[in-house]
Amino acid sequence: DAGVIQSPRHEVTEMGQEVTLRCKPISGHDYLFWYRQTMMRGLELLIYFNNNVPIDDSGMPEDRFSAKMPNASFSTLKIQPSEPRDSAVYFCASSRDRYHEQYFGPGTRLTVT
Amino acid sequence: KNEVEQSPQNLTAQEGEFITINCSYSVGISALHWLQQHPGGGIVSLFMLSSGKKKHGRLIATINIQEKHSSLHITASHPRDSAVYICAASKGDSNYQLIWGAGTKLIIKP
Repeated sequence: DAGVIQSPRHEVTEMGQEVTLRCKPISGHDYLFWYRQTMMRGLELLIYFNNNVPIDDSGMPEDRFSAKMPNASFSTLKIQPSEPRDSAVYFCASSRDRYHEQYFGPGTRLTVT
Repeated sequence: KNEVEQSPQNLTAQEGEFITINCSYSVGISALHWLQQHPGGGIVSLFMLSSGKKKHGRLIATINIQEKHSSLHITASHPRDSAVYICAASKGDSNYQLIWGAGTKLIIKP
């Protein structure tokens, strides 16, 4: 398996623009997680899905952030409008079930100027 | 006080040395995870354990549930082991509610 795939790997955008991050989980994995990593706050769970359904979005910082999972092989994290403080590395991870380890994608480094 | 504490924050050692990174937690957990993040940024899950000890190559992870403590050991360390090692505790009955430690930055000098 190719592992968790994320795109783009790097994104530079201007404040106020819409940003869409994409993730393809490992086939057969029922759980998908979106994380954000910054120097100040480390790794933070933003939202996770089980069987394409959002289960816990309490980590989503504000209404500017939204996430969807239209099918088992694709998820998006959207920021609209983006702000400089959203600059971070965003990781997507998936796991087979809630008792197994999570596999991380390579991350998307987002810079908002 | 953080629910998951790692020590040391930074560790520099010579190639070949035996390395120990510690993780203490203050909450009830269902499992303890050790992950590795390389300078390039990628995160790899090393171990997920709920009791005893696991070994993979030169890496060994142990956990003491009564003492709420886990250790990650690296034998015969090598410069390619240089990375940030993160422990995370699964709170509750699943692995998704992870409480993350701050990470230990390890540098192995040749």
